[in-house]
Amino acid sequence: EADIYQTPRYLVIGTGKKITLECSQTMGHDKMYWYQQDPGMELHLIHYSYGVNSTEKGDLSSESTVSRIRTEHFPLTLESARPSHTSQYLCASTGQGGSGANVLTFGAGSRLTVL
Amino acid sequence: QKEVEQNSGPLSVPEGAIASLNCTYSDRVSQSFFWYRQYSGKSPELIMSIYSNGDKEDGRFTAQLNKASQYVSLLIRDSQPSDSATYLCAVWNRDDKIIFGKGTRLHILP
Repeated sequence: EADIYQTPRYLVIGTGKKITLECSQTMGHDKMYWYQQDPGMELHLIHYSYGVNSTEKGDLSSESTVSRIRTEHFPLTLESARPSHTSQYLCASTGQGGSGANVLTFGAGSRLTVL
Repeated sequence: QKEVEQNSGPLSVPEGAIASLNCTYSDRVSQSFFWYRQYSGKSPELIMSIYSNGDKEDGRFTAQLNKASQYVSLLIRDSQPSDSATYLCAVWNRDDKIIFGKGTRLHILP
């Protein structure tokens, strides 16, 4: 059973709208990540965080922004959505050290369609 | 050279046969290696993790790691139609980030 939750699972909105994709985990993980994935394509890291008040941009340039005010919460925001933002957004987290170190746990994903 | 490379496939394997999936990586200091399975429209799920050279077996799955050759593989014995999916190789790199390959599409033929 996944301990990382993403909402909404599906979102269809019009161009220019502001949207926030929510991601929460109950595992106390310090490290959290946002990946973007188009159908049949590879995962691209767009944002990551190693703890509260820590956020970094990933390898793929993205117009989205993230925040990490609480350990368990890592929302992603698009100020003005465009059709090019249509994609699946996957949130993931991992803990520190021990057996199973660095194993990523993924949420179910948020599928965004911008008309 | 991409950090993690996989053959995109599709790889077609008859039901009951062994499926062999391969992956190479570029960062010599990487210490953690993973195989994820992703069904169409779903999130990746962890199949195997491996941290030291050699083989690691879990049921029908065996991960193999050769750090000298910078090579990771996944063997699936007695392949089933439910194994049809995209398999993602992932490597934890020196920048403390996990990097995914493009994935290999596996198709098990009934």
